[in-house]
Amino acid sequence: GQNIDQPTEMTATEGAIVQINCTYQTSGFNGLFWYQQHAGEAPTFLSYNVLDGLEEKGRFSSFLSRSKGYSYLLLKELQMKDSASYLCAAMDSNYQLIWGAGTKLIIKP
Amino acid sequence: NAGVTQTPKFRILKIGQSMTLQCTQDMNHNYMYWYRQDPGMGLKLIYYSVGAGITDKGEVPNGYNVSRSTTEDFPLRLELAAPSQTSVYFCASSYEPGGNIQYFGAGTRLSVL
Repeated sequence: GQNIDQPTEMTATEGAIVQINCTYQTSGFNGLFWYQQHAGEAPTFLSYNVLDGLEEKGRFSSFLSRSKGYSYLLLKELQMKDSASYLCAAMDSNYQLIWGAGTKLIIKP
Repeated sequence: NAGVTQTPKFRILKIGQSMTLQCTQDMNHNYMYWYRQDPGMGLKLIYYSVGAGITDKGEVPNGYNVSRSTTEDFPLRLELAAPSQTSVYFCASSYEPGGNIQYFGAGTRLSVL
């Protein structure tokens, strides 16, 4: 079956760095997405990886290892506004997204 | 920029009632999707469309119907609402499926009592 695993909740301190891990099993693979979702709002796109390696975009970076079925999202210089859920989603061979349940990130001052 | 617009934002239905969730996008995207999001679970695909006149079932289509008469509109119909359909519903669109960003509407919070 198809499955995405990510931690349910993480806590970090303002100004620090946090890494959110995601492992995936899909029928075929066409890329890995990360979305941010603030409470009561819609998911918004953060990053996309289809090749192995690190993609950096400002304070956010995303890493992919296709051989390990593994990705992580790295958030640097955490701000209070980064408190949100972070959704990992893998695209299968039918170009459909398989979504994880999300990681709720709590930022403490 | 309107993007993806969903209406209504909130709705309470009685068991057995029907309703249509509206979704419109102004980005000229070919692909449109309906998801439901339940607490503690990932987004589940209900139906999707690859263009006007073409729709297909996703992972959880039972109890729902869709149509795509224009590029812009992709309404979701609930027939004979059941408590199991209590959820947050999101409509999304993308230009292409592979590697393309999905843009989401603000969601519809539906309670069936």
